[in-house]
Amino acid sequence: QAVLTQPSSLSASPGASASLTCTLPGGINVGSYTIYWYQQKPGSPPQYLLRYKSDSDKHQGSGVPSRFSGSKDASANAGILVISGVQSDDEADYHCMIWHTSAAVFGGGTQLTVL
Amino acid sequence: QVQLQQWGAGLLKPSETLSLTCAVYGGSFSGYYWTWVRQPPGKGLEWIGEIRHSGSTNCNPSLKSRVTISIDTSKNQFSLKLTSVTAADTAVYYCARDLEGTIGTWGQGILVTVSS
Repeated sequence: QAVLTQPSSLSASPGASASLTCTLPGGINVGSYTIYWYQQKPGSPPQYLLRYKSDSDKHQGSGVPSRFSGSKDASANAGILVISGVQSDDEADYHCMIWHTSAAVFGGGTQLTVL
Repeated sequence: QVQLQQWGAGLLKPSETLSLTCAVYGGSFSGYYWTWVRQPPGKGLEWIGEIRHSGSTNCNPSLKSRVTISIDTSKNQFSLKLTSVTAADTAVYYCARDLEGTIGTWGQGILVTVSS
């Protein structure tokens, strides 16, 4: 079964940009997949942020600020969640997900700390 | 606005069967996949499976032999059963709504602990 790799933690300063990566395993080409991103704060369920397949095939969740955006790094076989102008309220866990052979697969999540 | 409310036993002994139900309020029940996801304490999310209004299901291969997902369209409810639980099944279990691959609405979650 596919396993998505996310760094366990990342820190960012307020106002800076943060790039959270989600690396797909070898044999699965990131270009063929839509990457879904979720934000989860302690004690709460995940909340859908956005999905990204390409610049022409993407969707922002309702009410999600435009400073959250998706992209891909084909050379790294990874999806990327970019948070521009990081705010203290962005401190949370971020989970990526793909659909692979009709099953949803999540990464292990990245804990973003805003210092 | 759709809301998902879930309930079930929160403490089980090893080998027992986990049973959870999720009720859908305030939205259409058809046209969606109704989904179960779990999260062990301090760990990432794991997709368990989903069911359509028609009753067709799709499950995580790693859990498929122990999972049953069912639906009661007359009550706008869907349920999860997981047999032969062990401590590894201790997790917060979420019900959720999936539209075309986007799991956009989540229940509040329920902690299920497996302990002797």
